[in-house]
Amino acid sequence: KQEVTQIPAALSVPEGENLVLNCSFTDSAIYNLQWFRQDPGKGLTSLLLIQSSQREQTSGRLNASLDKSSGRSTLYIAASQPGDSATYLCAVRLLTGGGNKLTFGTGTQLKVEL
Amino acid sequence: SQTIHQWPATLVQPVGSPLSLECTVEGTSNPNLYWYRQAAGRGLQLLFYSVGIGQISSEVPQNLSASRPQDRQFILSSKKLLLSDSGFYLCAWSTQAIRVHEQYFGPGTRLTVT
Repeated sequence: KQEVTQIPAALSVPEGENLVLNCSFTDSAIYNLQWFRQDPGKGLTSLLLIQSSQREQTSGRLNASLDKSSGRSTLYIAASQPGDSATYLCAVRLLTGGGNKLTFGTGTQLKVEL
Repeated sequence: SQTIHQWPATLVQPVGSPLSLECTVEGTSNPNLYWYRQAAGRGLQLLFYSVGIGQISSEVPQNLSASRPQDRQFILSSKKLLLSDSGFYLCAWSTQAIRVHEQYFGPGTRLTVT
């Protein structure tokens, strides 16, 4: 059974700092990995999706990397801003099994302070 | 462009009452549809997914059921709510037309069972 862990559970940083969020998964036979952002009381916003054949994806100040063999992904946020404050979730889709099911981590709650 | 709608946004229901949550997707055809629940302090749990009209797969035994009466409509129901059904319910879609199968989420329904 795939298990997804995110460390740390919570993080508080001053504005402008670069930061890294970690995601690890137990079954390396994944199809892809997706990073999401969730604001309080809101739905999920997809940030980046990395296919299993890729090593990283970039979007603006966000960079996500994937090391499938070690079961790890990182989300790098450059020059953090107060607007980046949210919970960040990673989710993996396994190669096998129908329906494109995602297994989610429990998230990292990020607070960027002025 | 594609959009996903969920209603109601919030709901307070007594124990033992019925439930009906609705999700609709616009701007795409034959999407995969998903219902997730996010309980307080826990990660997202996949409840149901559907790859087509009338095709429903249940992930966990529970007090809930799902139906897909139309291609872009997904309904979550219960005949008698339990306190443990409280949580944040999220609907999501992905398209088979794009191999990547990135999932997109709706705004969610906050359900409180009293």
